[in-house]
Amino acid sequence: KAGVTQTPRYLIKTRGQQVTLSCSPISGHRSVSWYQQTPGQGLQFLFEYFSETQRNKGNFPGRFSGRQFSNSRSEMNVSTLELGDSALYLCASSFSGGTVGNTEAFFGQGTRLTVV
Amino acid sequence: TQLLEQSPQFLSIQEGENLTVYCNSSSVFSSLQWYRQEPGEGPVLLVTVVTGGEVKKLKRLTFQFGDARKDSSLHITAAQTGDTGLYLCAGREGGTYKYIFGTGTRLKVLA
Repeated sequence: KAGVTQTPRYLIKTRGQQVTLSCSPISGHRSVSWYQQTPGQGLQFLFEYFSETQRNKGNFPGRFSGRQFSNSRSEMNVSTLELGDSALYLCASSFSGGTVGNTEAFFGQGTRLTVV
Repeated sequence: TQLLEQSPQFLSIQEGENLTVYCNSSSVFSSLQWYRQEPGEGPVLLVTVVTGGEVKKLKRLTFQFGDARKDSSLHITAAQTGDTGLYLCAGREGGTYKYIFGTGTRLKVLA
């Protein structure tokens, strides 16, 4: 079955602009999580959505927001971009049926965002 | 906040050598996952360990979950150049749907 698809793969934006990233989870998966990965900080959790509701949020400023649609696809938006937002943004999907065995997360290839 | 610390951070070895990567926490996790990530790509799931004391083998890779479910290890036998990558452990923070990732171990296997 198809994996997690993230678009676009690469993006270059200017400081102050805003950006929207997209993630299509594995078919049947209802949970989508977003992560920011940088060389200095590693993988940092942004937020997680399940059935169109945000269940958990990481410690990022309000410029970072997301949403999930009824088909489980998710978008992440970053407004007023800063140079420090340059990173690999990763999306992960999981079934998240609530039992231990269903908590494995499968990642997309990521979107490489460069802010200049 | 639960933390996962990995050691070593960097490892450079010759092809054919054995190695062990450690993932430690002061907190209990209901399960731990191990991922491998190559440059510019997303992490790829290798294994999930669930039961304390569990050992899982994936060809030349052996994963162990500590009895108290606070730590895990990954042992690679006879490393190959294709094993090169960033190895990450991850666990779900208790009571949430948030994954915590370890600090990562960057492995380079030289031919």
